[in-house]
Amino acid sequence: EAQVTQNPRYLITVTGKKLTVTCSQNMNHEYMSWYRQDPGLGLRQIYYSMNVEVTDKGDVPEGYKVSRKEKRNFPLILESPSPNQTSLYFCASTSYDLGPVPEQFFGPGTRLTVL
Amino acid sequence: DQQVKQNSPSLSVQEGRISILNCDYTNSMFDYFLWYKKYPAEGPTFLISISSIKDKNEDGRFTVFLNKSAKHLSLHIVPSQPGDSAVYFCAASANGSGNTGKLIFGQGTTLQVKP
Repeated sequence: EAQVTQNPRYLITVTGKKLTVTCSQNMNHEYMSWYRQDPGLGLRQIYYSMNVEVTDKGDVPEGYKVSRKEKRNFPLILESPSPNQTSLYFCASTSYDLGPVPEQFFGPGTRLTVL
Repeated sequence: DQQVKQNSPSLSVQEGRISILNCDYTNSMFDYFLWYKKYPAEGPTFLISISSIKDKNEDGRFTVFLNKSAKHLSLHIVPSQPGDSAVYFCAASANGSGNTGKLIFGQGTTLQVKP
């Protein structure tokens, strides 16, 4: 089954304690992204990756890091989390099977609370 | 600056009636528009898309209309069913973004279909 998996699904942590949210896709997609969803703001792109070892900032990259050492994995790293990073996070993997339309497949989400 | 806007946070309709969800955008460079549906505790899933060279795309009960001159699109669901109750996100893509797989999302509209 084609899917994007994220772990953990729920996480409560404290300010300053480094954490990593893992993301993995089994569709052999080159493009992957991280989004955060906040009330009234929709989904905003944090970082994206066009291929292995190729990553770049999205619209709200401050406070986040990513890496892409393998095609299937795209972890999101918060080196020193702060309360304003409390949010719902989605990893997405992009297919161009529809032609030029970037159809994104989303993971189930990670709800992060930073106290 | 919100390039894609969904001005109605919520919509409630009766089962069997039509649901109309609206979306406005500001960037004339957008060339594809997509609608995603999101259930609680799940990631968004792709619903339907439309190219900027078309004004209508239909898929079963779902039809998307695009009015380029007004920079407006709408999603029609006919007939609405209780299982359609979800958050609907409008998203836009610009190929000039260099195939980053990036989508710009609206804030979302929560649809409730009452039995």
